[in-house]
Amino acid sequence: DQQVKQNSPSLSVQEGRISILNCDYTNSMFDYFLWYKKYPAEGPTFLISISSIKDKNEDGRFTVFLNKSAKHLSLHIVPSQPGDSAVYFCAASGNAGNMLTFGGGTRLMVKP
Amino acid sequence: DTEVTQTPKHLVMGMTNKKSLKCEQHMGHRAMYWYKQKAKKPPELMFVYSYEKLSINESVPSRFSPECPNSSLLNLHLHALQPEDSALYLCASSRGNRRSSPLHFGNGTRLTVT
Repeated sequence: DQQVKQNSPSLSVQEGRISILNCDYTNSMFDYFLWYKKYPAEGPTFLISISSIKDKNEDGRFTVFLNKSAKHLSLHIVPSQPGDSAVYFCAASGNAGNMLTFGGGTRLMVKP
Repeated sequence: DTEVTQTPKHLVMGMTNKKSLKCEQHMGHRAMYWYKQKAKKPPELMFVYSYEKLSINESVPSRFSPECPNSSLLNLHLHALQPEDSALYLCASSRGNRRSSPLHFGNGTRLTVT
């Protein structure tokens, strides 16, 4: 049973518009969440994280929102750029140190 | 360029072969990880080394044997693998094993078992 789910396998967005990637989790012990970006033939690259004591964290064009009651988080990219086209993984960890559970990924395509 | 270097990039091996995957980082990170990623699936944790000691083994079959010779190197020794072990093997490192230390991933070794 997947504890971290990304229900949209792909998302297509026009350059300059907002990209919203969603992630749901089921394990109540998760209290730290991260987003990673992955280009083909490369390993995942850390983007942004959020602790459960916050509901929002912002870094440049990237903002992560956390709704603990809904066990839902989202990544907003504004404005989207063609270079943002990649697979985005949501990941979560609980009290067991830095063990990450990854979602299935969402492929974002930003069209020029 | 990634700061975690994995070699080889590609590996094809038979079920009776013995091979090793290598991972190196020079960021002074004290935690290192092996993940396995099958096609169209998320990465799955295999092993965690913390300060050169194996701290987590996610019930990985013994045909996979990790080794951490020093704080910069992490190996994964492979023996008698099965075709279903074909996957992308990702190495990662982090400054510590706390959640606030993001993982830095290498580009992976794509393994094919024939």
